[in-house]
Amino acid sequence: DAMVIQNPRYQVTQFGKPVTLSCSQTLNHNVMYWYQQKSSQAPKLLFHYYDKDFNNEADTPDNFQSRRPNTSFCFLDIRSPGLGDAAMYLCATSVNSGGDTQYFGPGTRLTVL
Amino acid sequence: AQRVTQPEKLLSVFKGAPVELKCNYSYSGSPELFWYVQYSRQRLQLLLRHISRESIKGFTADLNKGETSFHLKKPFAQEEDSAMYYCALSGPNQAGTALIFGKGTTLSVSS
Repeated sequence: DAMVIQNPRYQVTQFGKPVTLSCSQTLNHNVMYWYQQKSSQAPKLLFHYYDKDFNNEADTPDNFQSRRPNTSFCFLDIRSPGLGDAAMYLCATSVNSGGDTQYFGPGTRLTVL
Repeated sequence: AQRVTQPEKLLSVFKGAPVELKCNYSYSGSPELFWYVQYSRQRLQLLLRHISRESIKGFTADLNKGETSFHLKKPFAQEEDSAMYYCALSGPNQAGTALIFGKGTTLSVSS
C-alpha cells in the first residue's frame, strides 16, 4: 500500500544532543509537511516542502531544520533539543496544496532527557 | 488572523444519540474546511471536506459562511465513532498552502 512512513516511532535523546527524524512516502506527492504536536494540543506546522521549495513557518525556532534530498524522503533535524521539544512529530504529504487531502504518517514520539 | 476554534475538549454521548462537534473559524477569504479524525492507535486521517459535500461514516458537515462555522454532525452515534476529531482549514488551493488545525475534540460514545 502506498503510504507515509516515519522512523523511528519512538526516539529518546539527551538534552542538547542532535537528533534526526525520518519520513518517507510512496505516494509520489509534491508536498511534504512536518508538524509538531504536544500533549493535548493541535498539530502545529513547522515547515513544508513543495517539491524542492522549502517553506518555513515564521514562528518555527531555528533549532529545527529540514532536508528533502528527493521526492520520497524528508528529514527533520533538531540541532540542540530542549525539554520543550518533547512532542509527537507528524509527517504528512499532499499532492499539491493544503487544499488537497493530507496523508499522515504514524508519528515519531520524541523524548528529551 | 487565521484560526480554528473547537470549543469542546470532550464530548460524551450514548450510543444512538445525535452528535454535533462544533468548529468555528476565522479567515479573511474563502477557506477550505476539513474534518480529520484519529482513532485509537491509528494515524490522523481525513474524514471529510466541505467541497465534497458528502457523508462519510454517517457524518456530515455544512459550511456556514455567515456564522463562520463548520460543525460536524451525525444523527446516531456508534461506539466505533469514539476518536479525536480535528477541524482544520486551508487557504485557497494554492501550491504549498498548509493546514491550520483546531485543538481537537475527543468524542466518547458509550453503550
